Amino acid sequence: GESVGLHLPTLSVQEGDNSIINCAYSNSASDYFIWYKQESGKGPQFIIDIRSNMDKRQGQRVTVLLNKTVKHLSLQIAATQPGDSAVYFCAESQAGTALIFGKGTTLSVSS
Amino acid sequence: DSGVTQTPKHLITATGQRVTLRCSPRSGDLSVYWYQQSLDQGLQFLIQYYNGEERAKGNILERFSAQQFPDLHSELNLSSLELGDSALYFCASSAAGTNEKLFFGSGTQLSVL
Repeated sequence: GESVGLHLPTLSVQEGDNSIINCAYSNSASDYFIWYKQESGKGPQFIIDIRSNMDKRQGQRVTVLLNKTVKHLSLQIAATQPGDSAVYFCAESQAGTALIFGKGTTLSVSS
Repeated sequence: DSGVTQTPKHLITATGQRVTLRCSPRSGDLSVYWYQQSLDQGLQFLIQYYNGEERAKGNILERFSAQQFPDLHSELNLSSLELGDSALYFCASSAAGTNEKLFFGSGTQLSVL
């Protein structure tokens, strides 16, 4: 069946370090992937997305990497700040169907 | 601020009751999505509307229903509530109906006692 998961439920980093949050997906037909950040008491906030015809996309301090060979997605956050502390979700979609969300990784940034 | 507005923020009710959650999408967005978030199930897709028409259904119970009005706001109706319906309910919107780049509201926390 389809599933989107994350390798680690929690990740702790020091302020200023780079963070890498990983996500494995099982549906090889998925053609769209997206990362969300959810802070306590708030709704998921869009970070960055990528289509399956790309393997890398960069935003402001964030980079998403897609490896279709091993069905792996990662979110890299440069110079992590305390404000980056949140739960991060990856999600996938196939041919415009509903986004399927993983269970999330909690990122804790200590100063 | 995502531009998606959900009311109320909190709702406390009893089993067997019926409640209505309201969502106003971002200005110009035609698609509205409803998601349920619980600790054990994560974010689960319930239903999608596009320009007033139902577009897709997910794991939505028969006790739940939704609609999108001509002004594009949407309501999610939950009836015969059970303890297990306690969860965060999110509305999201997007410009098109392709399930890409959804913008989420702050959610309604439903507590069924």
